[in-house]
Amino acid sequence: ETGVTQSPTHLIKTRGQQVTLRCSSQSGHNTVSWYQQALGQGPQFIFQYYREEENGRGNFPPRFSGLQFPNYSSELNVNALELDDSALYLCASSLGQGSNQPQHFGDGTRLSIL
Amino acid sequence: RKEVEQDPGPFNVPEGATVAFNCTYSNSASQSFFWYRQDCRKEPKLLMSVYSSGNEDGRFTAQLNRASQYISLLIRDSKLSDSATYLCVVNGLAGNNRKLIWGLGTSLAVNP
Repeated sequence: ETGVTQSPTHLIKTRGQQVTLRCSSQSGHNTVSWYQQALGQGPQFIFQYYREEENGRGNFPPRFSGLQFPNYSSELNVNALELDDSALYLCASSLGQGSNQPQHFGDGTRLSIL
Repeated sequence: RKEVEQDPGPFNVPEGATVAFNCTYSNSASQSFFWYRQDCRKEPKLLMSVYSSGNEDGRFTAQLNRASQYISLLIRDSKLSDSATYLCVVNGLAGNNRKLIWGLGTSLAVNP
């Protein structure tokens, strides 16, 4: 069984730039959720994708967008980067969109904005 | 009131101690509850789901109190390797959708 993989592991960008983060879900999982985790905080829900469609969104501005592909892998895109976007970005996959499903996380992408 | 609240700690305990964490939630309609463990600079990992009747996995016991809207995690015979942050997760509302809501975590340090 292949676990959740994310790339890149670390990334440094400057304000105003754009970034794309990638996630491959655990085999057999069709749902991907993205989270932002600032230092010392719990993960904050960004959005979830189920069968290639956005299936719920947290309190993040439209410059945070995403995609899910037919193989259930996913991308998180962030435009017009701001200093506060510096955080660990976590991808989690689960079997089904229900919130009763435990989520399995990738190692995360650590994004630093200079 | 925050949707999910945890005592941030840190809890400093000696090896072999028993330690308990509580987590309160605001949405009485919540139905799913989990404890995750997160090591420093690592991703969260599922520790255990919390069932209505309570459940045990080795040294770990999770309980749910719907009337008072809290869940608990009990760790017996603490090991040095138990040092981590423990995150409480409850299903709640994110926008118009029912999604998982995370607490900020409780930090545990087990000392020799």
